[in-house]
Formats: sequence, C-alpha cells, structure tokens
Amino acid sequence: QVQLVESGGGVVQPGKSLRLSCVGSGSILSNYFMHWVRQAPGKGLEWVALISFDGNSRSHADSVKGRFTVSRDNSNNTLYLQMNSLRAEDTAQYFCARVPPYSNFAPYSMAVWGRGTTVIVSS
Amino acid sequence: QSALTQPASVSGSPGQSITISCTGTSSDIGFYNYVSWYQQHPGTAPKLLTFDVHKRPSGVSNRFSASKSGNTASLTISGVQTDDEADYYCCSYTNTNTLVFGGGTKLTVL
Repeated sequence: QVQLVESGGGVVQPGKSLRLSCVGSGSILSNYFMHWVRQAPGKGLEWVALISFDGNSRSHADSVKGRFTVSRDNSNNTLYLQMNSLRAEDTAQYFCARVPPYSNFAPYSMAVWGRGTTVIVSS
Repeated sequence: QSALTQPASVSGSPGQSITISCTGTSSDIGFYNYVSWYQQHPGTAPKLLTFDVHKRPSGVSNRFSASKSGNTASLTISGVQTDDEADYYCCSYTNTNTLVFGGGTKLTVL
C-alpha cells in the first residue's frame, strides 16, 4: 500500500519561512516525478511545483516562483517544499502527490496523494 | 496562467449521465493531451479519475470517462450514484511547463 505523509505545517508570521516534508512508504519515490498542490480554505486546487525523479528538473507556479523551492532526498524517500517570504495568501492545505506508474515521460497528473499538512500565515 | 473554466455546479438524478466541461486555451488543453480529472469528497485528498485525456487508473470505475475537443475537455459520469456527489477538478499541462487546475465543479445527486 503506497502512502504519502506530509508534515511541517503550522502557523507562521508573514515574511517568515517554513519547510514542508513528504515521506513515502510502500513506494520508492526516487522512481517518480512528484508534485506539490495546495488548497486554500474553501477554495479549489492550485498546482504549486513539480520535480523530476532525480531532482535535476523543477518547475514552480508563477504565484510561488522565487519564494518556494521544491527538492528531494531520494536516500530518505523524502520530498520537500521550502517556503520563504510567506504571505497570507499562502494559507492552505498542502498536498504532495506522486505521478502514475510509467508516467515519467509525461508526469502531468497525480495518482497518489497524501492527506496534506496545513499552513496558516498570520500575524 | 489563468485557471481553466468549469461550471460551478451540476446536478443529476441517480442513474442519469452527467458531463462536466473544462475550457482552456490553445496554450494548455488545446495543445497538449495532458488533461486529468480528480474527484474530491469533503475533508479528503483528491482522487485521480482519468489522465492523459482518457486513460483510467487501475481501480477507477469505467463509469468515469473523459475526452477532449479543441480547447475543451469533458468528464462524463454514467449511471450517477449518490457516492459520486463530490467536487470535480480538471487539470492541464501548459506551454510554460506548469500545470493549471480548473476552479472545480460541485456535483449534486438529487
């Protein structure tokens, strides 16, 4: 059973930083591209970032570019999202997600999702 | 990148078929065959229903089918069931190497 577990969320003041983690079990995450997706309270889904299986290729949404950075540590089966210069509008539940099997040539969907971790940016 | 356009809500009676549309542009849906659809029940993580326009992951009911024509993608649910009442989101790859979601559609089963 593949499982993703996010952690690192919390309440943080505007302008501060936070690092989210996503640990995989039952699946070797190093074989897959990975995404971060967020959902503000009562709102829809927003794609945040994508990273290749080896970490050499990354893409970020315009709304977080220059402030957030996706990375991974394959030796620990862990995905990260470093969030700097946080704003109130970054308040959301953050999900990590794995692409479907055999999708590394077109890693543009999310087949396995964690339960999410909540980030609240407030003074 | 602007969000894809979905109807805010749709409804149907049990056993009926319903279709949810998702309209983008020639920079996303219209150019790439990388559209996916997700179902989300309240308080839970999204679930992948279809990807690469029409592929269905193992374990997803064949009552869910998807297609694309021009800049518009569609998700059809055949034989709607009460369990299908949820929010549905489309998503597409774009020409800036990013992904964009639709605003979401709430399905009500009458």
